[in-house]
Amino acid sequence: DTGVSQDPRHKITKRGQNVTFRCDPISEHNRLYWYRQTLGQGPEFLTYFQNEAQLEKSRLLSDRFSAERPKGSFSTLEIQRTEQGDSAMYLCASSDNRVSPQFFGPGTRLTVL
Amino acid sequence: QKEVEQDPGPLSVPEGAIVSLNCTYSNSAFQYFMWYRQYSRKGPELLMYTYSSGNKEDGRFTAQVDKSSKYISLFIRDSQPSDSATYLCAMSDGGTSYGKLTFGQGTILTVHP
Repeated sequence: DTGVSQDPRHKITKRGQNVTFRCDPISEHNRLYWYRQTLGQGPEFLTYFQNEAQLEKSRLLSDRFSAERPKGSFSTLEIQRTEQGDSAMYLCASSDNRVSPQFFGPGTRLTVL
Repeated sequence: QKEVEQDPGPLSVPEGAIVSLNCTYSNSAFQYFMWYRQYSRKGPELLMYTYSSGNKEDGRFTAQVDKSSKYISLFIRDSQPSDSATYLCAMSDGGTSYGKLTFGQGTILTVHP
């Protein structure tokens, strides 16, 4: 399977705990995006990487959120001191240039108790 | 007011019907327009990708873009029960925003046999 993969698919955690998600983009894609989707809403942009450089962050990405893409391959999204409002589907997408379509992974569903 | 407005439905049609899904937007910089299909608890799947105004057809799906009216549509002909999903419109200006997507909230479609 050469699509975008995400791990884990589901994560249940207690409020205040830290969580980390991983995204593996399509291998030849140098652009990687993170989005967050809550129930009944469309995905909302969180952050963007071109190769290893994080070039844009949404105001939705509070100080508790950090994302990395070491060596321009896979990416991680960490949420520190989780809150119940962080419960959502976290989606990763990749593309090979700014005008190409983005292909999404299956998402990581986070539940904060 | 949101940048992209999409009628959330839900929309219920009989098998074989023609389905029309629509989005309006306010940002005149949007140039790239997409439709994604999302099954429950899955990631969005790209259906159609168009640039600027005009029509694009792919099998049973036709995408229309009217930039003068800031209005896009997706038509599904001969709808099937397997088309039951949430349909998301998405758009991008392709340039200054690094290609990040702005989504509508999604339309829930049910095709009943």
